[in-house]
Amino acid sequence: DGGITQSPKYLFRKEGQNVTLSCEQNLNHDAMYWYRQDPGQGLRLIYYSQIVNDFQKGDIAEGYSVSREKKESFPLTVTSAQKNPTAFYLCASSIALDSPNSPLHFGNGTRLTVT
Amino acid sequence: DAKTTQPNSMESNEEEPVHLPCNHSTISGTDYIHWYRQLPSQGPEYVIHGLTSNVNNRMASLAIAEDRKSSTLILHRATLRDAAVYYCILREQGGSEKLVFGKGTKLTVNP
Repeated sequence: DGGITQSPKYLFRKEGQNVTLSCEQNLNHDAMYWYRQDPGQGLRLIYYSQIVNDFQKGDIAEGYSVSREKKESFPLTVTSAQKNPTAFYLCASSIALDSPNSPLHFGNGTRLTVT
Repeated sequence: DAKTTQPNSMESNEEEPVHLPCNHSTISGTDYIHWYRQLPSQGPEYVIHGLTSNVNNRMASLAIAEDRKSSTLILHRATLRDAAVYYCILREQGGSEKLVFGKGTKLTVNP
């Protein structure tokens, strides 16, 4: 079955270390997204990409970086510059960026804890 | 800023219908109304979406007001597995895709 895979499910890091979260999709979707969710809160957009080798900052991009070298993959790096990195991170995809008549598909998230 | 407004929480009994409201008074003519739900420690799951007409699928029904300034997600017979946070969002035609997910409505289903 097609879907989005995020790994690992849980991730622990020491403060000051960069960490990369994986997101892979086999839905042949052009658009991919990264969201951050804090306890009891909604989702906030970090970065999004509409095509390979292209990505745009979302509302809270500071302290994060992404790459889109392959259509299937959109890894997110949480850098040491991110002041409050502990959160639940969600990856999503859509057929295309400008496709409001199609649903978003989400992965099951990575819970990052930085101490 | 959130483009949609939902109640923070709602409660229902098992096997009863549930009507989850969403206000989107600033909706434009080409915005699609989407609903997703999220179980604890999982990613959101697509439920249903529509533009103007009411929509039905195996999970739920979506009733859209004639002026499109509000919509209602209808779960016809709530089960314990329907307990989740439900998000109503707008997807714009030609928009920047900075989709705004508010806090949603936390639905509690009582046995």
